[in-house]
Amino acid sequence: QPVVIQSSSASASLGSSVKLTCTLNSGHSSYIIAWHQQQPGKAPRYLMKVEGSGSYNKGSGVPDRFSGSSSGADRYLTISNLQSEDEADYYCETWDTNTRVFGGGTKVTVL
Amino acid sequence: EVQLLESGGDLVQPGGSLRLSCAASGFTFSTYAMTWVRQAPGKGLEWVSSIDASGGYTYYADSVKGRFTISRDNSRNTLYLQMNSLRAEDTALYYCARLHSGSSDSWGLGTLVAVSS
Repeated sequence: QPVVIQSSSASASLGSSVKLTCTLNSGHSSYIIAWHQQQPGKAPRYLMKVEGSGSYNKGSGVPDRFSGSSSGADRYLTISNLQSEDEADYYCETWDTNTRVFGGGTKVTVL
Repeated sequence: EVQLLESGGDLVQPGGSLRLSCAASGFTFSTYAMTWVRQAPGKGLEWVSSIDASGGYTYYADSVKGRFTISRDNSRNTLYLQMNSLRAEDTALYYCARLHSGSSDSWGLGTLVAVSS
């Protein structure tokens, strides 16, 4: 079954950029993933879906500062012009016919 | 606007049962698969169960298989999760989410389940 791995934390300065990575396990490197943002004390929010080709499809109302990309088994979420409200946990999600999995989440700190 | 509103969370003793509901509005509920995801205090997201649009196919995480049952009533636009034989490790905030082209694209606010004696 698919597995996704995320680094536990990342930090960047206000106004800079940060790139988060979600890595798919062997045999599942072509899978589509989704990125979700969870601000402190709030429910998760869908950000976008990222395909193996690198194309991505954002959810309604997601700012232009958020973009997706892909390389091999890695799927990326890049946040440009980092804002204080971007300080949150970010989870990637993937799925198969009869299962779905979430990564452990990356905590983003805005310095 | 898509809205998902969970309810039914409570404090329950180990071995007890609970039924969660998720009332959907703002979209044609009967055409979307749905899912339950939980989050233990201070932990990450964990998939629990999914159901297809008609209710004919259901899927479960190994951790809840045989104890939890997902169902839906498309005439009432409502998703359910029947939880039996509850354990302390089932303590979590339970979210329902809509599935669109595979991914969870809309989330509810969650309902809290606490299992403790």
